[in-house]
Amino acid sequence: EVQVVESGGGLVQPGRSLRLSCSTSGFTFGDYAMSWVRQAPGKGLEWVAIVRSKRYGGTSDYAASVRGRFSISRDDSNSIAYLQMDSLRTEDTAVYYCSRGILIERSDAYQVWGQGTDVTVSS
Amino acid sequence: QSVLTQPPSVSAAPGQKVTISCSGRRSNIEFNYVSWYQQFPGTVPKLLIYDNNKRPSGIPDRFSGSKSGTSATLGITGLQTGDEADYYCGSWDSNLSEVLFGGGTKVTVL
Repeated sequence: EVQVVESGGGLVQPGRSLRLSCSTSGFTFGDYAMSWVRQAPGKGLEWVAIVRSKRYGGTSDYAASVRGRFSISRDDSNSIAYLQMDSLRTEDTAVYYCSRGILIERSDAYQVWGQGTDVTVSS
Repeated sequence: QSVLTQPPSVSAAPGQKVTISCSGRRSNIEFNYVSWYQQFPGTVPKLLIYDNNKRPSGIPDRFSGSKSGTSATLGITGLQTGDEADYYCGSWDSNLSEVLFGGGTKVTVL
């Protein structure tokens, strides 16, 4: 069974950092790009970042709203993706979902989702 | 404000059909694939349509997708009360190098 489990969320003060983890199982992690998508309370989906598989260069891209503050990475040996969030702002408050695309070669079309981890940025 | 534009809400009676539009630009919808997601309150989004019009395994054929130019459409036929949810379109944007989501459309079954 394909599984994705996020962890690392919590309450953090503005300007501080937090690292989210995405532990996976049930599929060949190294073959897929992994992404983070967030959803602020009562709001819609907002894409955050993607890290591609090594086969596709291992490159990453970020939403403009987090570029320069967030960093996505992957550990293929342990099937884990990370999201390092620095200089957090109140507007980063959201549920953060780790997700995987339906197709190996694609950066979108997210079929696999974790249950999400809550991040609250508040003083 | 989302770059992909969806109507905030649509509604129809049980058994009827609804369509949800998603309007974008050449750099996203026209030149890249469109996906659609269904989300019930308090739950995780579910992929309904990918590559403009393909359904993942297990998604009933009451759900369909199409694309023309800079717009895409999700259709739901044989509307059921269980279809009441929020629906989002998504597409890669080649200029921004980002995945964009629409603002979401709430479907109400009258």
